[in-house]
Amino acid sequence: DAGVTQSPTHLIKTRGQQVTLRCSPISGHKSVSWYQQVLGQGPQFIFQYYEKEERGRGNFPDRFSARQFPNYSSELNVNALLLGDSALYLCASSSRDRDYEQYFGPGTRLTVT
Amino acid sequence: AQTVTQSQPEMSVQEAETVTLSCTYDTSESDYYLFWYKQPPSRQMILVIRQEAYKQQNATENRFSVNFQKAAKSFSLKISDSQLGDAAMYFCAYRTNTQTQGGSEKLVFGKGTKLTVNP
Repeated sequence: DAGVTQSPTHLIKTRGQQVTLRCSPISGHKSVSWYQQVLGQGPQFIFQYYEKEERGRGNFPDRFSARQFPNYSSELNVNALLLGDSALYLCASSSRDRDYEQYFGPGTRLTVT
Repeated sequence: AQTVTQSQPEMSVQEAETVTLSCTYDTSESDYYLFWYKQPPSRQMILVIRQEAYKQQNATENRFSVNFQKAAKSFSLKISDSQLGDAAMYFCAYRTNTQTQGGSEKLVFGKGTKLTVNP
């Protein structure tokens, strides 16, 4: 089975622009979580979605939003980009079968200039 | 709120030797999971090992084992017979057991320990 996939791999945006990141979970996984990892730090939780419902939200501004589609794929949107939004954005999926153990995708590297 | 602390920013080990990475955490919950993740330069976060808080027995996965001290809120990772491929950032992470306590599947990570393996 394919693992978690994310697109794009890399992205360069200018301050003030908007960006959409995409994630496809492992087949059969209904839960998707998003994390932001700034260079040299551990990942920080942004959102969790389960069967299209938001289950959790981290301490991020309203410029960050997400949604989950009927096929359980997910998008993370960031508006009005700031230089500080430059980071690796990680998506993880999980299923009840493995006690919601999270499997991560390769990430999207966002650079804001 | 839960916190995870990794006090060793960097560690090094000789190939074939044993190394232990430290992690402490703080929580008021009684039912939770603890994880060690490995992140090589390729960036992919890989699950190394997990421990359920209700289990007294320490988890083991091949050359990787943990020392889980619930009362002390300590969760260290021991890597035996270290290999060059073990070189990576290692992150300790905490998660509530959502099946018994509800809430989100949020993982709380430490800042990581960079492990170097010397040939």
